[in-house]
Amino acid sequence: GESVGLHLPTLSVQEGDNSIINCAYSNSASDYFIWYKQESGKGPQFIIDIRSNMDKRQGQRVTVLLNKTVKHLSLQIAATQPGDSAVYFCAENKYGGSNYKLTFGKGTLLTVNP
Amino acid sequence: GAVVSQHPSWVICKSGTSVKIECRSLDFQATTMFWYRQFPKQSLMLMATSNEGSKATYEQGVEKDKFLINHASLTLSTLTVTSAHPEDSSFYICSANRDRGREQYFGPGTRLTVT
Repeated sequence: GESVGLHLPTLSVQEGDNSIINCAYSNSASDYFIWYKQESGKGPQFIIDIRSNMDKRQGQRVTVLLNKTVKHLSLQIAATQPGDSAVYFCAENKYGGSNYKLTFGKGTLLTVNP
Repeated sequence: GAVVSQHPSWVICKSGTSVKIECRSLDFQATTMFWYRQFPKQSLMLMATSNEGSKATYEQGVEKDKFLINHASLTLSTLTVTSAHPEDSSFYICSANRDRGREQYFGPGTRLTVT
């Protein structure tokens, strides 16, 4: 079946270090991949997405890499800050029927130590 | 722009009662709204997709008679959990898109506790 999952459930880094959060997916037919940040008790917040025909996209302090050969997605956060502490989800966005539909991965808890 | 609100932010109800959660798009018209459920330390699971004026499409395993969804206008969708039981306690999150676009705008979530 289709699934989007993560290798590491938790990640602890020091403030100022770079963070890398990984995600494996199994459905090659997805149109976009998205990274979300979810703080405790809140809804998901869009970080960055990447179209399935790209392999890299950069945003402010974040970079998403897509390796379709091994079906792997990663989120790199530069100079991680305490405010980056949250759960990060990758999600697959696929158009089907009449709408795009999101399938979320399991999530990685990022803890940034001061 | 693209703000989605939910009401209430948290609710406690007794087993056997029903509870309604509202999802509103505040500054745009939402062609489609989505309802997710999230158990503690787990991921978001899509429950159903609703388009304004039509019946919701439920994901496999989601009881449509228990989770009633109404999308009466382009800015409001409601989820009613009927005859709630403790196992329905969860974090319910809605999202909305506009013009059937790929981006979903998420609400802040509603914490439901059934005692």
